Amino acid sequence: NAGVTQTPKFQVLKTGQSMTLQCAQDMNHEYMSWYRQDPGMGLRLIHYSVGAGITDQGEVPNGYNVSRSTTEDFPLRLLSAAPSQTSVYFCASSSGALAETQYFGPGTRLLVL
Amino acid sequence: QQQVKQSPQSLIVQKGGISIINCAYENTAFDYFPWYQQFPGKGPALLIAIRPDVSEKKEGRFTISFNKSAKQFSLHIMDSQPGDSATYFCAGRRGYSTLTFGKGTMLLVSP
Repeated sequence: NAGVTQTPKFQVLKTGQSMTLQCAQDMNHEYMSWYRQDPGMGLRLIHYSVGAGITDQGEVPNGYNVSRSTTEDFPLRLLSAAPSQTSVYFCASSSGALAETQYFGPGTRLLVL
Repeated sequence: QQQVKQSPQSLIVQKGGISIINCAYENTAFDYFPWYQQFPGKGPALLIAIRPDVSEKKEGRFTISFNKSAKQFSLHIMDSQPGDSATYFCAGRRGYSTLTFGKGTMLLVSP
């Protein structure tokens, strides 16, 4: 099993550009989520999904869209990138509502100029 | 509103010493308190976790102490090793596996 995979590993965008961060898991997990990590801020939840077709907002959802058409994939879309979205983005998955372990991907480092 | 407060921000411990990281939470709906360990350039990984009906949990050199009445919990790393040098995050969970993280503690264990 590859676990949770994220692409790309690193991306540079110009302000106003759009892009999609990809996340996939091969563990048949119901729950997937996106976090951003900024220095001194810990990890903050952007969006999460409790299953295919179901998504909800986290703590910092503005500027990001998500969809969940399959169990395996949970892409994160930046519609119009801003310098404030410069961050490291982590995708995570877990097997259910009471699952005790969230498995994190390796992260995508995004720089918005 | 910061629901999980973590301290200290950074910590330097000599090899063989005890590392202690503290967290305090506000949301009494949290039902699970994990600690995650993150090495540079990697994603966080679950280290150890505790439920609020237990006061202590030990796994090897890692121990969580939990004080429900004070809404505080802490991570103790006994016999700290250079390989323990990482960033540690405490968190609280309130269902649907969504986690609220503390801001993290960078631990450096000097040889």
